[in-house]
Amino acid sequence: EDKVVQSPLSLVVHEGDTVTLNCSYEVTNFRSLLWYKQEKKAPTFLFMLTSSGIEKKSGRLSSILDKKELFSILNITATQTGDSAVYLCAVEALGGGSQGNLIFGKGTKLSVKP
Amino acid sequence: DVKVTQSSRYLVKRTGEKVFLECVQDMDHENMFWYRQDPGLGLRLIYFSYDVKMKEKGDIPEGYSVSREKKERFSLILESASTNQTSMYLCASRGGWTEAFFGQGTRLTVV
Repeated sequence: EDKVVQSPLSLVVHEGDTVTLNCSYEVTNFRSLLWYKQEKKAPTFLFMLTSSGIEKKSGRLSSILDKKELFSILNITATQTGDSAVYLCAVEALGGGSQGNLIFGKGTKLSVKP
Repeated sequence: DVKVTQSSRYLVKRTGEKVFLECVQDMDHENMFWYRQDPGLGLRLIYFSYDVKMKEKGDIPEGYSVSREKKERFSLILESASTNQTSMYLCASRGGWTEAFFGQGTRLTVV
């Protein structure tokens, strides 16, 4: 059975700290891994990763994929209170005749204290 | 600007009612999805559709059905609502090998 496991499930840090969120997966026919940020409403897209070892970066956020060890990390440096959210990891697995579905982990709830 | 619109932000329905949740996207995407999100369980796929009139079951289809008569619209139907279907429902759409775009969610309470 395909699965995506995120850790930790929740995390409390102070502004300025650096955090690392983890996502491991077991899926057949892996195609890509995606990170989303969810505040009080719709998840918003952060990164899509398809190749091992290539870091994707956007401001203070970065992410990398290891397809051999089947995991990804999301790093946030110099955290701010606006980074408080649930971070979702999703893996796309190809299946049947349709394009891939996204299988989500349970998310990591990040709280950044002033 | 990309847009996925769900018809309601909040809904309260009675047990046994038939409930329709509507989702419309304006990006001409082939793929559309319905998820439910519950604390501690994450997002779970209910149904998805990769073309008009096509549908496939996700992980938790029991108690739900879907309809996709037009490319831009994907409806989730609760045939007879039950209290265990109280949840946040998220619609998403996706075109090609890109990220999925989500609607704002519908928080459904069944009493």
